[in-house]
Amino acid sequence: NAGVTQTPKFQVLKTGQSMTLQCAQDMNHNSMYWYRQDPGMGLRLIYYSASEGTTDKGEVPNGYNVSRLNKREFSLRLESAAPSQTSVYFCASSALTSGSGETQYFGPGTRLLVL
Amino acid sequence: SQQGEEDPQALSIQEGENATMNCSYKTSINNLQWYRQNSGRGLVHLILIRSNEREKHSGRLRVTLDTSKKSSSLLITASRAADTASYFCATSKAAGNKLTFGGGTRVLVKP
Repeated sequence: NAGVTQTPKFQVLKTGQSMTLQCAQDMNHNSMYWYRQDPGMGLRLIYYSASEGTTDKGEVPNGYNVSRLNKREFSLRLESAAPSQTSVYFCASSALTSGSGETQYFGPGTRLLVL
Repeated sequence: SQQGEEDPQALSIQEGENATMNCSYKTSINNLQWYRQNSGRGLVHLILIRSNEREKHSGRLRVTLDTSKKSSSLLITASRAADTASYFCATSKAAGNKLTFGGGTRVLVKP
């Protein structure tokens, strides 16, 4: 099993450009999450999807949109990138079942630089 | 704002020593988790402790939880150079709910 995969690994954008970050998991998990991590800080939740077909805003959703394409895939879109969105983006998944499913599994991250 | 705050922000120890880091949070929780992040990598789950538990062990890791003080501690015993990483606590308000992460403790274990 590959676990959680993310593409691309690194991206440079100019201000105003758009892009989509892709995430896929092969663990049959119900829930998926997008976080951003700024230098020297913890993770902040951007959006999450508790189950296929549902998405909800997290702590810092402004400037982002998400799509839960199917149970495996959860994409994050920046419609008009800004320098403040320079960060490392992590996707995670969890089974979301009480008793054993709260653990989140993380992808390797996408490093985004917006000039 | 972040739910969990780790203390200290950075820790430097010699191999073989114990490393202790603390996490404080603001609201009641269902569970608290600790994650490790090696440089340039994603987070890896270490241990989960539920609100009705006070202490949990996993290998060289020992986690305590004091819900009256809204705090948790992570102890790494007999540290190794490979333990060099950032450690994050994360809290969940309800079973299966989303996590809120603290700012992390950077641990350097010198050989």
